[in-house]
Amino acid sequence: EAGVTQFPSHSVIEKGQTVTLRCDPISGHDNLYWYRRVMGKEIKFLLHFVKESKQDESGMPNNRFLAERTGGTYSTLKVQPAELEDSGVYFCASSQGRWAGETQYFGPGTRLLVL
Amino acid sequence: GDSVTQMEGPVTLSEEAFLTINCTYTATGYPSLFWYVQYPGEGLQLLLKATKADDKGSNKGFEATYRKETTSFHLEKGSVQVSDSAVYFCALSEGLSGGSYIPTFGRGTSLIVHP
Repeated sequence: EAGVTQFPSHSVIEKGQTVTLRCDPISGHDNLYWYRRVMGKEIKFLLHFVKESKQDESGMPNNRFLAERTGGTYSTLKVQPAELEDSGVYFCASSQGRWAGETQYFGPGTRLLVL
Repeated sequence: GDSVTQMEGPVTLSEEAFLTINCTYTATGYPSLFWYVQYPGEGLQLLLKATKADDKGSNKGFEATYRKETTSFHLEKGSVQVSDSAVYFCALSEGLSGGSYIPTFGRGTSLIVHP
């Protein structure tokens, strides 16, 4: 069974440009999460989808970030316009259930560098 | 709010040395506890977990015991290998209203094992 995949693996853009990150969860996983890790800091939650609905988007930093999950399959995270502080590694994860002990399966991450 | 504190890295050891990575937490309720590992170039993988007090999670020679009285979940391995070189993240999760959970991660501890 394929794991969580993310595209691209790396992205280098200039301040003010737009970048779109993609995540393909494990097939059959209704729950999809986005996280971000800024260099050396904690992994921070961004948002959580259940199927195509946003269950919790309390971690989204501001309205420059837009996440979608049309059809409840893959998800995209768009940053527009990108700022220097958006640099970091963006992780996607998926899970079947959503209880406290549930295992989340993570993708390899997208390394974003905004210059 | 919830928080996870891990020991600062990097931790540098020789092969076959004993490993301890300390993790303490603050939670409002009764969380589940996790250790995730990120090998170079890969995403986070669940290493082990424990969902109630005094439970011991174990995998690949690593162990951690859920200590409610000291709010700790220290990771240990009796004899590390070069292949254990990675970044280790301690995390907790507890149920929120609506039944969802969002894990809280520590900053990660880099482990470097020399031959």
